[in-house]
Amino acid sequence: QKEVEQDPGPLSVPEGAIVSLNCTYSNSAFQYFMWYRQYSRKGPELLMYTYSSGNKEDGRFTAQVDKSSKYISLFIRDSQPSDSATYLCAMSATNTGNQFYFGTGTSLTVIP
Amino acid sequence: DGGITQSPKYLFRKEGQNVTLSCEQNLNHDAMYWYRQDPGQGLRLIYYSQIVNDFQKGDIAEGYSVSREKKESFPLTVTSAQKNPTAFYLCASSPRGGLYEQYFGPGTRLTVT
Repeated sequence: QKEVEQDPGPLSVPEGAIVSLNCTYSNSAFQYFMWYRQYSRKGPELLMYTYSSGNKEDGRFTAQVDKSSKYISLFIRDSQPSDSATYLCAMSATNTGNQFYFGTGTSLTVIP
Repeated sequence: DGGITQSPKYLFRKEGQNVTLSCEQNLNHDAMYWYRQDPGQGLRLIYYSQIVNDFQKGDIAEGYSVSREKKESFPLTVTSAQKNPTAFYLCASSPRGGLYEQYFGPGTRLTVT
């Protein structure tokens, strides 16, 4: 079983829709959770970073962590064509040897 | 501007040649990482370093080597022993390893023919 599971999609939505992206994980020790956006042939860009459980909001983006279910989500409100990219989740813990564990990414297309 | 730079953006080499990919950061981060990204496989860790003059192998270190002589620099050498070196290589850094978030450079696309 992989440490982090992420549905690869592809996901296609109309402009203005609410997008929900999700990851599940197996290691209950994970405490730090990140979401990245990656455009084609570019490096991943850090979108959201949360510690432990709860919600964090930044503009149109909301990150949720449910540690009891080992499930994290990224919501994108009022999606725009410029949001079309691959979204990666990542996580780490103090006992993971300073390593980060990534999902394989979800490809999102927002149709104008 | 603070950030991570990788050079060159595109690199072409003949099979059997070693090649070194550059990674520099001016974020004053302690930890640095090298990943390889292939279509459909996600990010795979090659090497990482938490402090100067110290580094650890990741999941796919065979055929690669690194050095960390300066805090801001973490070059990756792809040797001729790497069986399938054509890939997108990403360098990343973090303030203190797994305790904090990680930032990525723009990547280097290596093509070996």
